[in-house]
Amino acid sequence: KAGVTQTPRYLIKTRGQQVTLSCSPISGHRSVSWYQQTPGQGLQFLFEYFSETQRNKGNFPGRFSGRQFSNSRSEMNVSTLELGDSALYLCASSLETTGQDEQYFGPGTRLTVT
Amino acid sequence: QKEVEQDPGPLSVPEGAIVSLNCTYSNSAFQYFMWYRQYSRKGPELLMYTYSSGNKEDGRFTAQVDKSSKYISLFIRDSQPSDSATYLCAMRGRGQKVTFGTGTKLQVIP
Repeated sequence: KAGVTQTPRYLIKTRGQQVTLSCSPISGHRSVSWYQQTPGQGLQFLFEYFSETQRNKGNFPGRFSGRQFSNSRSEMNVSTLELGDSALYLCASSLETTGQDEQYFGPGTRLTVT
Repeated sequence: QKEVEQDPGPLSVPEGAIVSLNCTYSNSAFQYFMWYRQYSRKGPELLMYTYSSGNKEDGRFTAQVDKSSKYISLFIRDSQPSDSATYLCAMRGRGQKVTFGTGTKLQVIP
């Protein structure tokens, strides 16, 4: 079974631009979560989607948004990029049936904002 | 107070040692517990998952959960240099977001 995939793996953008990151969950998984990871802040929760609905949301500004499609694939968008948005963006999926709530992570997208 | 507390380390042990990694939590709604291993510049890799108190063993790894004390542990037996990584504990309630510890950096010295 294929794991969680994320595209692109690396991205360099300029301050003020916007970016869209993509995540394909493990087949059959219905929940997708997004995280930002930086050396100073660790893993920070962005949002979680379940069956195309945003179920949980972290404390990030409105510049960060996401969506989930009917096939469970998800995208996140960051508008008006700032230098501080440089980070590893991780996507994780889970099946969410009884006893199977664990999350599996993708390899991440490393975003550099210059 | 953070919902999940984890000693950041770093923890340095000789090869072959038993490693004990721990997390405490305050949210009684947490029902599912996970341990991840993360190598530098990689995504976290799920090592152990459990949803009941007690021990769960998988090879050299044992996860222990004590819900009454709100305390979870990961034991690594016969530690190897390849175990050198950051270990993250994580937990969630049903339908809730996953809450992570800050991670413990482990170094196994050959």
